[in-house]
Amino acid sequence: SAVISQKPSRDICQRGTSLTIQCQVDSQVTMMFWYRQQPGQSLTLIATANQGSEATYESGFVIDKFPISRPNLTFSTLTVSNMSPEDSSIYLCSVEAESGQPQHFGDGTRLSIL
Amino acid sequence: QKEVEQDPGPLSVPEGAIVSLNCTYSNSAFQYFMWYRQYSRKGPELLMYTYSSGNKEDGRFTAQVDKSSKYISLFIRDSQPSDSATYLCAMRAPSGTYKYIFGTGTRLKVLA
Repeated sequence: SAVISQKPSRDICQRGTSLTIQCQVDSQVTMMFWYRQQPGQSLTLIATANQGSEATYESGFVIDKFPISRPNLTFSTLTVSNMSPEDSSIYLCSVEAESGQPQHFGDGTRLSIL
Repeated sequence: QKEVEQDPGPLSVPEGAIVSLNCTYSNSAFQYFMWYRQYSRKGPELLMYTYSSGNKEDGRFTAQVDKSSKYISLFIRDSQPSDSATYLCAMRAPSGTYKYIFGTGTRLKVLA
């Protein structure tokens, strides 16, 4: 399966700042996704990163707060903007290598907001 | 009611035991069912992937889907301490969406 690298692996940020998380895949993939994992809760899909067009956001998530880029078939970024303590979470990138195949995940970015 | 329900555990078993992990769901449109294993400070790792009802075996792992009861299971035979992790079930509808719905995960501890 594809090797997925996420950077940074963890960070501690100040309230009101923004952080951009990178997701790099070692091969071209059809679909890329961004998830949030909060303690005691299930993984929640934030958005689908579309290559060459705007991301598709799930209910409760907006582009101004979580802008996403996907310039090519191997790379995507998620920015968490104007952070507050409620944004403290693990953010995970996943990919679907080919249509219909199951998703594979990176190791995530552990984000703490002070 | 959540679309997918999963007992959070923790579940503690002795080494060598057979482990049964389960999820129930409410959406009869789900056709694809996945089990992921997640170690501490790591991302979810795909264990099993099944389509529709039936059983699928891979080594010590067996995934079972009962669509009539809206119930899926993962069995681990001869459990090892290295199986200690959180196990997540996930599922999705067949077409028109790539969205996975996850359970909250069951923490498993296999005692040596």
